[in-house]
Amino acid sequence: NAGVMQNPRHLVRRRGQEARLRCSPMKGHSHVYWYRQLPEEGLKFMVYLQKENIIDESGMPKERFSAEFPKEGPSILRIQQVVRGDSAAYFCASSPAGSRYEQYFGPGTRLTVT
Amino acid sequence: EDQVTQSPEALRLQEGESSSLNCSYTVSGLRGLFWYRQDPGKGPEFLFTLYSAGEEKEKERLKATLTKKESFLHITAPKPEDSATYLCAVRGSGNTGKLIFGQGTTLQVKP
Repeated sequence: NAGVMQNPRHLVRRRGQEARLRCSPMKGHSHVYWYRQLPEEGLKFMVYLQKENIIDESGMPKERFSAEFPKEGPSILRIQQVVRGDSAAYFCASSPAGSRYEQYFGPGTRLTVT
Repeated sequence: EDQVTQSPEALRLQEGESSSLNCSYTVSGLRGLFWYRQDPGKGPEFLFTLYSAGEEKEKERLKATLTKKESFLHITAPKPEDSATYLCAVRGSGNTGKLIFGQGTTLQVKP
């Protein structure tokens, strides 16, 4: 029973490049959440998506960041023109339909911007 | 504003020495309090969900309890493999699935 899958596990980008992070939810889960963990800081919510629909993006930076969860395929978190401050661990979580359920996390993608 | 505060930040225990971790929360209408365990370099691992004051959940050496203002994670006779960071989170106010996390308590259990 596969858990939440994220890839790549590690990603190195130069300043100004684009980063694409992918997340496949657990089987049977239709809700996806993205969180960011900056060095020495706690987990911060970024965005909550259902298939083809953004439910809550209140934690997303206004510029350069976008997320999608298409009808087919994984959820994508996209960061354009990365800066050093984007270096962090990005975690995806999933839950069954309905936001009242607990969220199960993937192993994370560690983004390093050089 | 929804807020979660965990204490202590770090805790060192000898193997077998029981203790408790605290999670204080402020949220408008609690819709779930969650405990997770996070090992270095890994994603958070779900442990418990609590919904109402007085509720308790247990799993092996861990027991989570909930009051109207805080939650405790009691660790009974810990072992070195219990060493990890323990995270507490609440579901945010309003119709949202977002979780608001505390900073975590890093537990080290020495043999």
